[in-house]
Order: sequence, then structure tokens, then C-alpha cells
Amino acid sequence: DVKVTQSSRYLVKRTGEKVFLECVQDMDHENMFWYRQDPGLGLRLIYFSYDVKMKEKGDIPEGYSVSREKKERFSLILESASTNQTSMYLCASRVRTVLTGEKLFFGSGTQLSVL
Amino acid sequence: AQTVTQSQPEMSVQEAETVTLSCTYDTSENNYYLFWYKQPPSRQMILVIRQEAYKQQNATENRFSVNFQKAAKSFSLKISDSQLGDTAMYFCAFMKLGSSNTGKLIFGQGTTLQVKP
Repeated sequence: DVKVTQSSRYLVKRTGEKVFLECVQDMDHENMFWYRQDPGLGLRLIYFSYDVKMKEKGDIPEGYSVSREKKERFSLILESASTNQTSMYLCASRVRTVLTGEKLFFGSGTQLSVL
Repeated sequence: AQTVTQSQPEMSVQEAETVTLSCTYDTSENNYYLFWYKQPPSRQMILVIRQEAYKQQNATENRFSVNFQKAAKSFSLKISDSQLGDTAMYFCAFMKLGSSNTGKLIFGQGTTLQVKP
């Protein structure tokens, strides 16, 4: 089974801190994604990466950056955390094959609280 | 731009009964996937069912089936013989296909389903 691991399940940070959320997948997938989940808004795409060192902005990239130095690891960075970034963050990786079609695999989320 | 709308924030159903969750979407694309994901309290997103837009036949997976109405842009999920383990938040999602396919999912707002004993 594909495993997508997010390093922290819960995280509490102070306003202005630099925050790193880490995500690792074990199946050599090229595409990886960071979403944030908020009540009543569903999941919204922050950034995605389609290869090492390649990234693209999603729908809500403001206040975030990402890093993908190795294929298996995709990091989300909050340069200066703010209270409106308190949210659940979900990482996903994607595979597409002729046999299985499109499949996304999700981590179990990081609940970030910024105080 | 594509949008996905789930108009039922919360629903409940008695164990063993049938429930239908609604989803509508807006797109000018002709080639796409639609998904239903389940997120239980563990927070792990689990793929429930997937429908390719070019297929006229509705997808089914055991107790889960969809009613895909392409012209109406509607994609509802029916859960038969509901079980306590079906209690979760359910998300409808859209993925554009074709040469510009990046694997991005566009999600609805979610519907919290509670199955009552």
C-alpha cells in the first residue's frame, strides 16, 4: 500500500514563527499536493509539485511557500505564521496508470494552531 | 473555472437504511473524473468511488453507488444498508483530464453524515 506520511499530527505555533510541515511518500510519485481544510470550505489547494524542484501555485498560495528537493519529500513552509493560517493541512501524492487511472493518496493531516 | 457544491452540510440516517448525498458541479470541460471521498474521525481521506465522465454507466462499489447526470452536472452518492462505520465527512471532488491534467482536485464543502444505531 502507498504510504503518505505527515510528520506531525498536531502542531501549535506562535504568530510570526516560521513553520515547516513535512510530507513524505514512499512510491516514487511525481505529483504531490498541499491542501488546507477548513469547516464549510472543504479542501483548497495551496501548492503542488509535478517533479523535483518544480512547483506551481494552487488557489490559495498567499503566505505559503514549498520545497521539493527530493522526489519523496514535499514541504510546506509558512514564512511568518498568522492566526488565519490555523487550519488542517493535508498532503497528497498522485499516480496515474493505464490500468488504475487516476489515484490520489492522502496523509492523515496536520492540525496547525497559530496562537 | 470549475466549482463543486455540496448543499447538505449535515445529514443523518438510521443504521441499515439508505441515504443519498448530493453534489453538483460546474465546468465547461468534457473530459473529467468525479470522486467521492470519505474522511472519518481518523482524518484519513479514503476514496469511496470514482466516475469517468465519458462513461454513461453509473459507478458502483459494494454498498456505494452514484447517480451521474452529466447534462445536469449532478453527481450524487447513494449509501445502501448504512453502517455505523459509514459515519464520516464526505467530500465530492472534480478532476479535469486531458493534456493539461495536473491531478488537481477541486473539492466541495463536505457533508457530515451520522449513522444512528
